[in-house]
Amino acid sequence: EAGVVQSPRYKIIEKKQPVAFWCNPISGHNTLYWYRQNLGQGPELLIRYENEEAVDDSQLPKDRFSAERLKGVDSTLKIQPAELGDSAVYLCASSLASGGRTQYFGPGTRLTVL
Amino acid sequence: DQQVKQNSPSLSVQEGRISILNCDYTNSMFDYFLWYKKYPAEGPTFLISISSIKDKNEDGRFTVFLNKSAKHLSLHIVPSQPGDSAVYFCAASSNYNQGGKLIFGQGTELSVKP
Repeated sequence: EAGVVQSPRYKIIEKKQPVAFWCNPISGHNTLYWYRQNLGQGPELLIRYENEEAVDDSQLPKDRFSAERLKGVDSTLKIQPAELGDSAVYLCASSLASGGRTQYFGPGTRLTVL
Repeated sequence: DQQVKQNSPSLSVQEGRISILNCDYTNSMFDYFLWYKKYPAEGPTFLISISSIKDKNEDGRFTVFLNKSAKHLSLHIVPSQPGDSAVYFCAASSNYNQGGKLIFGQGTELSVKP
């Protein structure tokens, strides 16, 4: 069974440029999460989807970040414009359903903003 | 306000000996706890979990202990192997008021020396 797929794996951009990350969760997993992991820290939740509905986006900086999960499968996280402080690893995870307590993570996208 | 803490940033153990990684939490509403292992340039990989109704869960060389009164959990790896060298994150969640969102500790880097 394929795991969570993310692309790109690495991205280097200049500040003020836009950037987008893509995630394909494990087949059959209804719940999808986007996390951000700063160097030396644990991942922190940005947004959680139940199917196509964003049910928790309280930690998403909405002035520059946006996300979508069309048709309740793939998801895209966008930053526009990027700032130096956005340099981090962006992780996507999925679980069977709300209440599916174990989350499975993709390999992440390492973003560097210059 | 760090709800989940891993106070040891690093741990070095000899191959064949026991590794003990510790984690403390403050939120008494947490009812599910997980350990993830992370290799460089990869996403966190689920290792083992425990529900708050249990005090021990074992899976092969890995055992997680939960002490609810002390709000403390630990991961025991025995015997330790060089391939166990990685960063280990503990995470906690509550289904009651956070929708299963995982709160991560800062991680402990385990080095198992041959």
